[in-house]
Amino acid sequence: TQLLEQSPQFLSIQEGENLTVYCNSSSVFSSLQWYRQEPGEGPVLLVTVVTGGEVKKLKRLTFQFGDARKDSSLHITAAQPGDTGLYLCAGARYSGAGSYQLTFGKGTKLSVIP
Amino acid sequence: SQTIHQWPATLVQPVGSPLSLECTVEGTSNPNLYWYRQAAGRGLQLLFYSVGIGQISSEVPQNLSASRPQDRQFILSSKKLLLSDSGFYLCAWSDLLSNSPLHFGNGTRLTVT
Repeated sequence: TQLLEQSPQFLSIQEGENLTVYCNSSSVFSSLQWYRQEPGEGPVLLVTVVTGGEVKKLKRLTFQFGDARKDSSLHITAAQPGDTGLYLCAGARYSGAGSYQLTFGKGTKLSVIP
Repeated sequence: SQTIHQWPATLVQPVGSPLSLECTVEGTSNPNLYWYRQAAGRGLQLLFYSVGIGQISSEVPQNLSASRPQDRQFILSSKKLLLSDSGFYLCAWSDLLSNSPLHFGNGTRLTVT
């Protein structure tokens, strides 16, 4: 079973539209990270949310961590073609011996059409 | 500033041949190092991670192995590749702190024919 469920898996929208990507789990995470990945490259961190209920904004991107720290959402306002890419959420959990493990969702592939 | 280098960028290998992918990190000491595989539609699968020289933890039993001969060098190997080993392999590093983000290399696209 997938520990982190991301939805939708694919999303194709027109430039200027708004969208929301969801990352859900039945497990509690110490933090949740969002990455964006472009074809042929490694994922790049966008934001880390740590506190339940936390909201972080990065220009047109708004990230929210659920109150129970089990889910998160990414909202993009007025999407631009440059937002196109694979968006991955990753939850961190303590795995013992002072280390944390990240579990990734399957990702949301976003295409913004000019 | 910290940088991560991963090579080669692409690789085509026949079934049964050996594999060696290398990853090096610069600008940081004693990082956690990771190997992930990304298959289409499956997100990122953690293969190995290392918290220090010679310390390797395997997450998925398979015909791959990893080694960390130096503090900032991480190597992914196989003695005999399988068709199912095809995929996009990503090396990453992080600090030892909790909630530290992963910093990824640009990946190696491996095709086993």
